[in-house]
Amino acid sequence: GENVEQHPSTLSVQEGDSAVIKCTYSDSASNYFPWYKQELGKRPQLIIDIRSNVGEKKDQRIAVTLNKTAKHFSLHITETQPEDSAVYFCAASKPSGYSTLTFGKGTMLLVSP
Amino acid sequence: DTAVSQTPKYLVTQMGNDKSIKCEQNLGHDTMYWYKQDSKKFLKIMFSYNNKELIINETVPNRFSPKSPDKAHLNLHINSLELGDSAVYFCASSEVGVTQYFGPGTRLLVL
Repeated sequence: GENVEQHPSTLSVQEGDSAVIKCTYSDSASNYFPWYKQELGKRPQLIIDIRSNVGEKKDQRIAVTLNKTAKHFSLHITETQPEDSAVYFCAASKPSGYSTLTFGKGTMLLVSP
Repeated sequence: DTAVSQTPKYLVTQMGNDKSIKCEQNLGHDTMYWYKQDSKKFLKIMFSYNNKELIINETVPNRFSPKSPDKAHLNLHINSLELGDSAVYFCASSEVGVTQYFGPGTRLLVL
């Protein structure tokens, strides 16, 4: 089955800095890669996603890049703010049938003012 | 207008008891899921139902039994609760192969 590795497990940055979280996946058939943000005590919420037919997607301060050859995708947050502090999860899914998401183990991002 | 809702939000119970968690979605999705999030925050799929039919059943003790009375509801019944069952349980829903929307979670503590 699919295996998703996520690094780093924790990341501390100063407000205004950029943050990068990296994930690798094992199944070359995976074609959907969402990123979820989970604030303390809350539910995971989708912040951005990318499909394998594009290499990059941007939404304001957040961007995701995908390298299908290397089976690697990354989340980039620019101009970080304290409210970006949360646990971020990457995930991967295959297109066929009723495949579900395989999650990475999460990255705890702490943005210090 | 909550999209995916779960009850109860908190559940504190003794070892050996039986308990149920309910989930409802009003998004019109065909697929619903149960995830377990342990103390290390790892999100692990337990079950997935599509249109009331079980399609994914990961390696979960048979003390856990999901039930889907209709495609908008997916309940989770747990028999003979153990200490290791303490976790946050999230329900989610989606159309097949696209974004999953999570419920608020049920925090289960087994004493």
